[in-house]
Amino acid sequence: DAKTTQPNSMESNEEEPVHLPCNHSTISGTDYIHWYRQLPSQGPEYVIHGLTSNVNNRMASLAIAEDRKSSTLILHRATLRDAAVYYCIPSSGNTPLVFGKGTRLSVIA
Amino acid sequence: EADIYQTPRYLVIGTGKKITLECSQTMGHDKMYWYQQDPGMELHLIHYSYGVNSTEKGDLSSESTVSRIRTEHFPLTLESARPSHTSQYLCASSELKNQETQYFGPGTRLLVL
Repeated sequence: DAKTTQPNSMESNEEEPVHLPCNHSTISGTDYIHWYRQLPSQGPEYVIHGLTSNVNNRMASLAIAEDRKSSTLILHRATLRDAAVYYCIPSSGNTPLVFGKGTRLSVIA
Repeated sequence: EADIYQTPRYLVIGTGKKITLECSQTMGHDKMYWYQQDPGMELHLIHYSYGVNSTEKGDLSSESTVSRIRTEHFPLTLESARPSHTSQYLCASSELKNQETQYFGPGTRLLVL
């Protein structure tokens, strides 16, 4: 599995956009990039995933660098409910997801 | 909304007891997983299954065992609980196809005294 590097923590003001970066320089050509988040006292939940093109859904946007060695999860307007640990996970799909330390996002009212 | 359930949600038990943590899903998913997570720490995969009668050990060595006799059910058993087993145990499931979303249960918080 590709190694990932994410900031340990980030802070955002409520209703501001948040850009969560992830470096995955050893990603293979067929690995998708998955993002999950874990709210306090809950199991992780799926946020978004993509291969090469930028992706959008109701929760977030995923911007993938052209060389695929990094990606950015974008929350367009952070709310207090978005405070969580965000995990960036490259995956071939052939093996279970491997969760790293992630980025702990704090949202300030 | 994911239909994956774990019982009990919280368990306090004495050393040496045998315990079984239950995990069930109603989505017909072939793949199921058990992760262990200490407070504020990473999730570690301890067991997974890609279908009935198929089980594999994960990346983190665990003294627990699992079984997969029915598609919807993936229980985890500790034959003799110890304080070092105190942790949160999270169950997840996904479809058999690659790159499918993993859905997680709410977790079981285990405290062994």
